[in-house]
Amino acid sequence: AAGVIQSPRHLIKEKRETATLKCYPIPRHDTVYWYQQGPGQDPQFLISFYEKMQSDKGSIPDRFSAQQFSDYHSELNMSSLELGDSALYFCASSSRGPKAGNTIYFGEGSWLTVV
Amino acid sequence: SQQGEEDPQALSIQEGENATMNCSYKTSINNLQWYRQNSGRGLVHLILIRSNEREKHSGRLRVTLDTSKKSSSLLITASRAADTASYFCATVGIQGAQKLVFGQGTRLTINP
Repeated sequence: AAGVIQSPRHLIKEKRETATLKCYPIPRHDTVYWYQQGPGQDPQFLISFYEKMQSDKGSIPDRFSAQQFSDYHSELNMSSLELGDSALYFCASSSRGPKAGNTIYFGEGSWLTVV
Repeated sequence: SQQGEEDPQALSIQEGENATMNCSYKTSINNLQWYRQNSGRGLVHLILIRSNEREKHSGRLRVTLDTSKKSSSLLITASRAADTASYFCATVGIQGAQKLVFGQGTRLTINP
């Protein structure tokens, strides 16, 4: 079965540069979530979209922005990168939002290293 | 953690033994989901349990939910070396937030 696809899997950026992460949800899933996981930490919620509209916002820095496109894929844009942004970034998807009680599936993640 | 606390933080057992991990949360929930994560890898979904359910099974996994105590447990029976991973519970609250909130996770090590 198709899973959540994230790209790139790894990227290395310098401080103050910009990075874009892409996420392709499971077909027919209309909800996308972004999470950030630092080393040894639990995943922290950044932002979510339902039917191409932002549905919730967590601890996402103002330097970060995201959107969900008409084909339901999503992109997380990160600017003015800082060393502390180095983390594993997950995208997840589900059908009809989290409160529908459907499974939320995660991708393999994108490793961002800021040097 | 934003929502849940997991207990224990680390667990080491012998292959073949059962492993029990507990999760507590703070607010009323719509559903609770358990995930496994191998080091540096993706989060693999294990089981979803809804607030009106008390127990669910999937293969060697058994999940219980006690909404009165705001707690859940994950039991892995007849553990295998391949079960070595971190296990997270995550909740979707009833009020407001359209997101899954994770606990701190339990690091499980199965010794051969």
